[in-house]
Amino acid sequence: GDSVTQMEGPVTLSEEAFLTINCTYTATGYPSLFWYVQYPGEGLQLLLKATKADDKGSNKGFEATYRKETTSFHLEKGSVQVSDSAVYFCALRSGGYNKLIFGAGTRLAVHP
Amino acid sequence: EAGVAQSPRYKIIEKRQSVAFWCNPISGHATLYWYQQILGQGPKLLIQFQNNGVVDDSQLPKDRFSAERLKGVDSTLKIQPAKLEDSAVYLCASRPIGDRVFNEQFFGPGTRLTVL
Repeated sequence: GDSVTQMEGPVTLSEEAFLTINCTYTATGYPSLFWYVQYPGEGLQLLLKATKADDKGSNKGFEATYRKETTSFHLEKGSVQVSDSAVYFCALRSGGYNKLIFGAGTRLAVHP
Repeated sequence: EAGVAQSPRYKIIEKRQSVAFWCNPISGHATLYWYQQILGQGPKLLIQFQNNGVVDDSQLPKDRFSAERLKGVDSTLKIQPAKLEDSAVYLCASRPIGDRVFNEQFFGPGTRLTVL
């Protein structure tokens, strides 16, 4: 079945460091791909999305490119801030009823 | 616009007891989802409603879990009887029906269940 694999955390960075969180997927066809973020004490929020190969999703300085050849959707940010500390989930849309399949999540901690 | 509401936010019960969670989706959203998020894992879909009909409950443990959405608006998820492994955060999400390409689901804050 369809699945998503994310790099394990926690990822600990200093403010202004470069961030990469790896995400790879297994799916039939070409699913839409998403990154969700969960800030402490809050619900999951959509961060960015890509619906077809070579699409780049971007939001709040974060970017991810849909790579069909490597079945990947890595999340990047050039300069992280303390306020980016959260858990990040990679997900894909599966099947005809818009079901989301999530990775296990990667916790990011950014220190001043 | 008000977000997805869930209650209670926290619940502690003993194994073999019953528990119920409530979700009120964003107004006008026809599709409603219940997810289970075990600590250290990503959310896993339990059941999906479109209006008041079930479209996917393939991962719902039907011997102990049940859910309903009687009037196509709010929904209740019940566990009876609870087991230790049911300890998790239960997330509710909703989505407007006309949204075919851009599949944004809006999530509530979740209910954290601890089974002792």
